Amino acid sequence: DAGVTQSPTHLIKTRGQQVTLRCSPKSGHDTVSWYQQALGQGPQFIFQYYEEEERQRGNFPDRFSGHQFPNYSSELNVNALLLGDSALYLCASSVDWRQGHGYTFGSGTRLTVV
Amino acid sequence: KNQVEQSPQSLIILEGKNCTLQCNYTVSPFSNLRWYKQDTGRGPVSLTIMTFSENTKSNGRYTATLDADTKQSSLHITASQLSDSASYICVVSAGPYSNSGYALNFGKGTSLLVTP
Repeated sequence: DAGVTQSPTHLIKTRGQQVTLRCSPKSGHDTVSWYQQALGQGPQFIFQYYEEEERQRGNFPDRFSGHQFPNYSSELNVNALLLGDSALYLCASSVDWRQGHGYTFGSGTRLTVV
Repeated sequence: KNQVEQSPQSLIILEGKNCTLQCNYTVSPFSNLRWYKQDTGRGPVSLTIMTFSENTKSNGRYTATLDADTKQSSLHITASQLSDSASYICVVSAGPYSNSGYALNFGKGTSLLVTP
């Protein structure tokens, strides 16, 4: 039973570029949440997807957008990259966003913007 | 504003010793509290989860306590091992909120280093 899978594991981009990160949820999970974790900090909530719709959003600019597919997998897109976007991006999946428990995290994608 | 404060920020202990990490929160409405272990560059792994009515929860050498009245939680690690070196994050879930489900509130973590 696969857990949460994120790809790629590491990524280096240049300022101004665009990036797409991918997440496959744990089997049986239908809700995907994305988090940004700067070095030495706790994760910051970006947004959450359920039934292919954005259900909640944290305090992140519109440069951060997402998508959920019918198979529950999800993408995080970041446009016009800034140096400050360098971080570990975590995906967490759960069952039914209304339940509030059972979150499983992926290993993350380390994004470096140069 | 929902907040989760953890202490100490970092901790160094000798292998075999015990330690206790603290978490204070101001989150409303409270749903549950989780402790996660996060190795460097990896995703957090759940250790324990406690609801309002639970005072203590154990997972091997890890024991979490919750005092919902004072809004405090602790994570006690017994007979520490080198592999316990990691960041330990306290996460408090708030909700449900109408039309928006639950929100996870993360502490900044306690960085634990276990030395030989």
